[in-house]
Amino acid sequence: EPEVTQTPSHQVTQMGQEVILRCVPISNHLYFYWYRQILGQKVEFLVSFYNNEISEKSEIFDDQFSVERPDGSNFTLKIRSTKLEDSAMYFCASSWTSGGSYEQYFGPGTRLTVT
Amino acid sequence: GQQVMQIPQYQHVQEGEDFTTYCNSSTTLSNIQWYKQRPGGHPVFLIQLVKSGEVKKQKRLTFQFGEAKKNSSLHITATQTTDVGTYFCAGQDTGNQFYFGTGTSLTVIP
Repeated sequence: EPEVTQTPSHQVTQMGQEVILRCVPISNHLYFYWYRQILGQKVEFLVSFYNNEISEKSEIFDDQFSVERPDGSNFTLKIRSTKLEDSAMYFCASSWTSGGSYEQYFGPGTRLTVT
Repeated sequence: GQQVMQIPQYQHVQEGEDFTTYCNSSTTLSNIQWYKQRPGGHPVFLIQLVKSGEVKKQKRLTFQFGEAKKNSSLHITATQTTDVGTYFCAGQDTGNQFYFGTGTSLTVIP
Protein backbone atom coordinates (compact mmCIF):
# COMPACT_ATOMS: atom_id res chain seq x y z
CA GLU A 1 0.00 0.00 0.00
CA PRO A 2 1.40 3.43 -0.90
CA GLU A 3 2.44 5.60 2.01
CA VAL A 4 3.75 9.04 2.81
CA THR A 5 7.36 9.05 3.97
CA GLN A 6 9.19 11.69 5.96
CA THR A 7 12.83 12.31 6.75
CA PRO A 8 14.47 12.64 9.13
CA SER A 9 12.48 10.92 11.84
CA HIS A 10 14.15 13.11 14.45
CA GLN A 11 15.97 16.42 14.02
CA VAL A 12 17.80 18.25 16.76
CA THR A 13 18.85 21.81 16.06
CA GLN A 14 20.02 24.87 17.89
CA MET A 15 17.86 27.93 18.22
CA GLY A 16 18.33 30.28 15.28
CA GLN A 17 19.36 27.54 12.87
CA GLU A 18 17.54 26.68 9.68
CA VAL A 19 15.95 23.26 9.24
CA ILE A 20 14.41 21.52 6.26
CA LEU A 21 11.93 18.75 6.80
CA ARG A 22 11.34 16.43 3.89
CA CYS A 23 8.33 14.51 2.75
CA VAL A 24 7.54 12.25 -0.17
CA PRO A 25 3.77 12.27 -0.68
CA ILE A 26 1.86 9.47 -2.34
CA SER A 27 2.69 9.71 -6.01
CA ASN A 28 -0.71 10.34 -7.57
CA HIS A 29 -1.93 12.74 -4.92
CA LEU A 30 -2.54 16.36 -5.75
CA TYR A 31 -2.87 18.08 -2.40
CA PHE A 32 -0.16 18.32 0.20
CA TYR A 33 -0.22 19.54 3.77
CA TRP A 34 2.02 20.24 6.70
CA TYR A 35 0.79 19.99 10.28
CA ARG A 36 2.49 20.23 13.61
CA GLN A 37 1.65 18.65 16.93
CA ILE A 38 3.20 19.85 20.15
CA LEU A 39 3.60 16.93 22.54
CA GLY A 40 0.28 15.96 24.05
CA GLN A 41 -1.68 18.56 22.14
CA LYS A 42 -3.88 18.67 19.09
CA VAL A 43 -2.80 18.57 15.48
CA GLU A 44 -2.43 22.10 14.08
CA PHE A 45 -2.73 22.96 10.41
CA LEU A 46 0.19 24.88 8.96
CA VAL A 47 -0.24 25.00 5.21
CA SER A 48 -1.83 23.34 2.21
CA PHE A 49 -0.27 23.19 -1.23
CA TYR A 50 -1.81 22.52 -4.62
CA ASN A 51 -0.68 23.02 -8.19
CA ASN A 52 2.73 24.21 -7.07
CA GLU A 53 1.49 26.95 -4.82
CA ILE A 54 0.18 27.52 -1.35
CA SER A 55 -3.62 27.29 -1.24
CA GLU A 56 -4.14 27.99 2.46
CA LYS A 57 -1.98 28.82 5.43
CA SER A 58 -2.67 29.30 9.08
CA GLU A 59 -1.59 32.06 11.43
CA ILE A 60 1.21 29.81 12.61
CA PHE A 61 2.74 29.75 9.12
CA ASP A 62 4.51 33.08 9.31
CA ASP A 63 7.48 34.43 7.36
CA GLN A 64 9.93 32.03 8.94
CA PHE A 65 8.18 29.09 7.26
CA SER A 66 8.25 28.17 3.60
CA VAL A 67 7.29 25.15 1.52
CA GLU A 68 8.55 23.82 -1.76
CA ARG A 69 7.97 20.99 -4.14
CA PRO A 70 11.34 21.13 -5.83
CA ASP A 71 11.30 18.07 -8.07
CA GLY A 72 7.79 16.71 -8.44
CA SER A 73 8.18 14.11 -5.72
CA ASN A 74 9.55 15.78 -2.61
CA PHE A 75 7.63 18.29 -0.54
CA THR A 76 9.68 20.27 1.95
CA LEU A 77 9.02 22.53 4.91
CA LYS A 78 11.74 25.00 5.77
CA ILE A 79 11.97 26.85 9.05
CA ARG A 80 14.45 29.67 8.61
CA SER A 81 15.38 30.60 12.16
CA THR A 82 14.12 28.06 14.64
CA LYS A 83 12.78 29.03 18.04
CA LEU A 84 12.35 26.92 21.14
CA GLU A 85 8.60 26.90 20.62
CA ASP A 86 9.02 25.28 17.20
CA SER A 87 9.81 22.02 18.98
CA ALA A 88 7.05 19.65 17.92
CA MET A 89 6.19 16.70 15.72
CA TYR A 90 5.72 17.80 12.13
CA PHE A 91 3.45 15.71 9.96
CA CYS A 92 3.19 15.82 6.21
CA ALA A 93 -0.02 14.62 4.60
CA SER A 94 -1.29 14.18 1.08
CA SER A 95 -4.67 13.61 -0.46
CA TRP A 96 -6.23 13.04 -3.84
CA THR A 97 -8.67 15.91 -3.76
CA SER A 98 -9.16 18.66 -1.26
CA GLY A 99 -11.47 17.17 1.33
CA GLY A 100 -14.24 16.68 -1.18
CA SER A 101 -14.47 13.01 -0.44
CA TYR A 102 -10.98 11.75 0.18
CA GLU A 103 -8.88 11.24 3.22
CA GLN A 104 -5.53 12.70 4.06
CA TYR A 105 -2.74 10.18 4.39
CA PHE A 106 -0.28 11.21 7.08
CA GLY A 107 3.39 10.42 7.17
CA PRO A 108 5.06 9.09 10.31
CA GLY A 109 6.27 12.57 11.27
CA THR A 110 9.54 14.31 12.04
CA ARG A 111 10.20 15.14 15.65
CA LEU A 112 11.92 18.51 15.77
CA THR A 113 13.76 19.44 18.93
CA VAL A 114 15.11 22.97 19.21
CA THR A 115 17.67 23.52 21.95
CA GLY B 1 -10.77 32.36 14.54
CA GLN B 2 -12.27 28.98 13.90
CA GLN B 3 -12.26 26.63 16.86
CA VAL B 4 -13.12 22.97 17.11
CA MET B 5 -13.61 21.57 20.57
CA GLN B 6 -14.00 17.97 21.63
CA ILE B 7 -15.34 16.47 24.80
CA PRO B 8 -14.40 14.67 26.84
CA GLN B 9 -10.65 15.22 26.82
CA TYR B 10 -10.05 11.83 28.41
CA GLN B 11 -12.21 8.73 28.75
CA HIS B 12 -11.46 5.53 30.58
CA VAL B 13 -13.81 2.63 29.92
CA GLN B 14 -13.94 -1.05 30.80
CA GLU B 15 -13.55 -3.31 27.83
CA GLY B 16 -16.99 -3.98 26.42
CA GLU B 17 -18.43 -0.61 27.43
CA ASP B 18 -19.48 1.98 24.89
CA PHE B 19 -17.64 5.21 24.18
CA THR B 20 -18.69 8.51 22.62
CA THR B 21 -16.74 11.62 21.75
CA TYR B 22 -18.34 14.87 20.69
CA CYS B 23 -16.96 17.51 18.37
CA ASN B 24 -18.24 21.10 18.18
CA SER B 25 -17.21 23.78 15.73
CA SER B 26 -17.61 27.51 16.22
CA THR B 27 -18.59 27.86 12.56
CA THR B 28 -20.41 25.83 9.92
CA LEU B 29 -18.25 23.24 8.21
CA SER B 30 -18.29 21.96 4.65
CA ASN B 31 -17.30 18.51 5.85
CA ILE B 32 -15.75 16.77 8.81
CA GLN B 33 -13.22 13.98 9.01
CA TRP B 34 -12.35 11.70 11.91
CA TYR B 35 -8.87 10.39 12.66
CA LYS B 36 -7.40 7.97 15.17
CA GLN B 37 -3.92 8.43 16.54
CA ARG B 38 -2.30 5.65 18.50
CA PRO B 39 0.27 6.66 21.15
CA GLY B 40 3.47 7.59 19.35
CA GLY B 41 1.82 7.27 15.97
CA HIS B 42 0.39 9.47 13.28
CA PRO B 43 -3.24 10.32 12.56
CA VAL B 44 -5.01 7.67 10.53
CA PHE B 45 -8.13 8.55 8.62
CA LEU B 46 -11.35 6.87 9.71
CA ILE B 47 -14.16 8.56 7.80
CA GLN B 48 -15.48 11.72 6.19
CA LEU B 49 -18.98 13.15 6.59
CA VAL B 50 -20.29 15.71 4.15
CA LYS B 51 -24.07 15.95 4.30
CA SER B 52 -26.14 17.58 6.99
CA GLY B 53 -27.47 14.91 9.36
CA GLU B 54 -25.34 12.20 7.80
CA VAL B 55 -24.77 8.97 9.71
CA LYS B 56 -22.14 6.43 8.74
CA LYS B 57 -21.19 3.14 10.32
CA GLN B 58 -18.00 1.14 10.26
CA LYS B 59 -18.46 -2.09 12.17
CA ARG B 60 -18.62 -0.97 15.83
CA LEU B 61 -18.09 2.72 15.00
CA THR B 62 -20.95 5.11 14.27
CA PHE B 63 -20.33 8.63 13.04
CA GLN B 64 -22.85 11.46 12.90
CA PHE B 65 -22.78 14.94 11.39
CA GLY B 66 -25.18 17.46 12.87
CA GLU B 67 -28.01 19.07 10.99
CA ALA B 68 -26.35 22.46 11.21
CA LYS B 69 -22.98 20.99 10.15
CA LYS B 70 -21.35 22.41 13.26
CA ASN B 71 -21.10 19.29 15.38
CA SER B 72 -20.30 15.64 15.05
CA SER B 73 -19.96 12.56 17.17
CA LEU B 74 -18.17 9.23 17.13
CA HIS B 75 -19.66 6.33 19.05
CA ILE B 76 -17.88 3.03 19.61
CA THR B 77 -19.97 0.08 20.71
CA ALA B 78 -18.43 -2.59 22.95
CA THR B 79 -14.92 -1.18 23.09
CA GLN B 80 -11.90 -3.41 22.66
CA THR B 81 -8.31 -2.86 23.74
CA THR B 82 -7.42 -2.21 20.12
CA ASP B 83 -9.60 0.92 20.25
CA VAL B 84 -7.07 2.66 22.51
CA GLY B 85 -5.82 5.97 21.12
CA THR B 86 -6.77 9.58 20.65
CA TYR B 87 -9.67 10.37 18.37
CA PHE B 88 -9.62 13.67 16.54
CA CYS B 89 -12.26 15.32 14.44
CA ALA B 90 -11.06 17.67 11.71
CA GLY B 91 -13.40 20.17 10.17
CA GLN B 92 -12.91 21.80 6.82
CA ASP B 93 -14.35 25.17 5.98
CA THR B 94 -14.93 26.38 2.43
CA GLY B 95 -11.20 26.62 1.84
CA ASN B 96 -8.44 24.04 1.96
CA GLN B 97 -7.69 24.36 5.65
CA PHE B 98 -8.50 21.74 8.27
CA TYR B 99 -9.20 22.53 11.90
CA PHE B 100 -8.44 19.63 14.16
CA GLY B 101 -10.35 19.21 17.36
CA THR B 102 -8.69 19.01 20.74
CA GLY B 103 -8.97 15.22 20.72
CA THR B 104 -10.37 12.60 23.07
CA SER B 105 -7.92 10.14 24.55
CA LEU B 106 -9.52 6.73 25.04
CA THR B 107 -8.16 4.19 27.49
CA VAL B 108 -9.73 0.74 27.53
CA ILE B 109 -9.25 -1.28 30.69
CA PRO B 110 -9.17 -5.04 30.01
